[in-house]
Amino acid sequence: EDQVTQSPEALRLQEGESSSLNCSYTVSGLRGLFWYRQDPGKGPEFLFTLYSAGEEKEKERLKATLTKKESFLHITAPKPEDSATYLCAVQVGSQGNLIFGKGTKLSVKP
Amino acid sequence: ETGVTQTPRHLVMGMTNKKSLKCEQHLGHNAMYWYKQSAKKPLELMFVYNFKEQTENNSVPSRFSPECPNSSHLFLHLHTLQPEDSALYLCASSQAGTSPSDTQYFGPGTRLTVL
Repeated sequence: EDQVTQSPEALRLQEGESSSLNCSYTVSGLRGLFWYRQDPGKGPEFLFTLYSAGEEKEKERLKATLTKKESFLHITAPKPEDSATYLCAVQVGSQGNLIFGKGTKLSVKP
Repeated sequence: ETGVTQTPRHLVMGMTNKKSLKCEQHLGHNAMYWYKQSAKKPLELMFVYNFKEQTENNSVPSRFSPECPNSSHLFLHLHTLQPEDSALYLCASSQAGTSPSDTQYFGPGTRLTVL
């Protein structure tokens, strides 16, 4: 069964304290891995797509990496405005449907 | 972000009511999706439409009825819902469901409360 697991469930950081979020997956036929950011009461906002092991993408303080079993979202010197829930999803199958993890809720304190 | 809009943003309904959720995308996409997001659970895919044709119904109860009149509009008709149906309902769109690099873009969601 295709499965996506994110850890930790919640992460509290001080401003400037770098860390990483993990997304591990067991799927057959991975087409892509997606990271989204979701603020309270809003829809998920697209951040990155990764397609193959070894691939990396960066956007401001965020960097996403991919291996054959997991993906990491590295947050360098976070700011309070980075506080949000970060969702990981994998795209599988011919229809390309997304399977989501439960998310990691990140809180960054000033 | 105004690429995908949803109305209403909040809805409270009784178990015997009938209501509809509306989604509109302004991105020129050909695929549209309904998701349910409940507390402590991952986003659950409900329905997928590709070029106005339903291509996925993820074992959703018949009290949820989707409608896709064209590639830009998607509705979710609700009737005789249960309190456990209370959740955030999200609409998304993408270029096409079978494209190799198919990114889904989400609307802001409708927060539904069933009394």
